[in-house]
Amino acid sequence: AQSVTQLDSQVPVFEEAPVELRCNYSSSVSVYLFWYVQYPNQGLQLLLKYLSGSTLVKGINGFEAEFNKSQTSFHLRKPSVHISDTAEYFCAVSERQGAQKLVFGQGTRLTINP
Amino acid sequence: GAGVSQSPRYKVAKRGQDVALRCDPISGHVSLFWYQQALGQGPEFLTYFQNEAQLDKSGLPSDRFFAERPEGSVSTLKIQRTQQEDSAVYLCASSLGVRTGEKLFFGSGTQLSVL
Repeated sequence: AQSVTQLDSQVPVFEEAPVELRCNYSSSVSVYLFWYVQYPNQGLQLLLKYLSGSTLVKGINGFEAEFNKSQTSFHLRKPSVHISDTAEYFCAVSERQGAQKLVFGQGTRLTINP
Repeated sequence: GAGVSQSPRYKVAKRGQDVALRCDPISGHVSLFWYQQALGQGPEFLTYFQNEAQLDKSGLPSDRFFAERPEGSVSTLKIQRTQQEDSAVYLCASSLGVRTGEKLFFGSGTQLSVL
């Protein structure tokens, strides 16, 4: 079984400041890693995913995440945030072999202040 | 269609009523998932279809929950004798194929409130 822990339920930052949203996971099998974003009144959208290869993954809207196997982490970063980045961010994992279903963390609400 | 469509957007039910939630996945998508998202929580897996076959229903919380996808496209999640703890947003997602690691496309969800 897998589990995902997002260490911060809320992260307030000022516009144009850098941000890091933390995600740690636990699994007895190899996993794929994802970040999804949920804007108000919209469905979840995929930001980026790690399947294999380079541990630094670049996604949409200037976000990137780094897979750290030894620390079982997949933190999301952006060097300079914009008001439009205000949303709920979810880290998720799925098994590499077997079930396609995602296991999500509880989410981090990113609030951008002008 | 352009995306995953769910209806109704909001549903209010009295405790004990039956409800049916509909999901129209992206045309041609083989895989379909239902998730339950309680307030302030991440989505939790309910069930998975590959075409019309329900391959995984391990996340359904009780036998009051039932899902179907009879023709391999539209899916319905039915909750019988609703309880207050069923109040949540129910999300539907689809993907083109069946491989793990594929991108899921989510609908906007149905917000169910049981009074």
